[in-house]
Amino acid sequence: DVKVTQSSRYLVKRTGEKVFLECVQDMDHENMFWYRQDPGLGLRLIYFSYDVKMKEKGDIPEGYSVSREKKERFSLILESASTNQTSMYLCASSLSQQGARVRETQYFGPGTRLLVL
Amino acid sequence: AQSVTQPDIHITVSEGASLELRCNYSYGATPYLFWYVQSPGQGLQLLLKYFSGDTLVQGIKGFEAEFKRSQSSFNLRKPSVHWSDAAEYFCAVGETTSYDKVIFGPGTSLSVIP
Repeated sequence: DVKVTQSSRYLVKRTGEKVFLECVQDMDHENMFWYRQDPGLGLRLIYFSYDVKMKEKGDIPEGYSVSREKKERFSLILESASTNQTSMYLCASSLSQQGARVRETQYFGPGTRLLVL
Repeated sequence: AQSVTQPDIHITVSEGASLELRCNYSYGATPYLFWYVQSPGQGLQLLLKYFSGDTLVQGIKGFEAEFKRSQSSFNLRKPSVHWSDAAEYFCAVGETTSYDKVIFGPGTSLSVIP
């Protein structure tokens, strides 16, 4: 089974703190994604990566950055956390199949619920 | 731009009753369509997906969905709901216009009455 793990299930941080959310997948997937999930809004794509050291902005990248130094690991960074970044953060991965990525099943981690005070 | 709507925010059904969750999308070409389920405290899991061919798609856990191009719909169905089906359900559509990405609907929360 594909396994996507996220470093924390719950985090509480202060406004202005730098926050790191880690995601690791064990299936040698090329594609990795970070979403935030808010009630009534579904999942919104923050950043994604199709290869090591590659990153692309999604729909809501402001206030976030990412790092992908190894294939299996994709980190989301909040440079200076703000209260409007309180949310559930979901990491996902999928196989590459360049040219058909949108057809790939995404495998999700359990999520990190972040509270910024 | 593509979009996905799920008209029902919350649905409550009795155990053993049938279920239909609605999903509508906007996209010019043939869409790639998905249904995911999120159980409490869990990440999302794929139930089924449609790319082409037979418009009735079978998935896991006894779910099926039907693609209706004329109605721009991809409704999810199950003939008999179990208490363990209580979860959040997300419809999603794959987009290739700007970059490869999947757009998720807002979700429908399902409660099951014993």
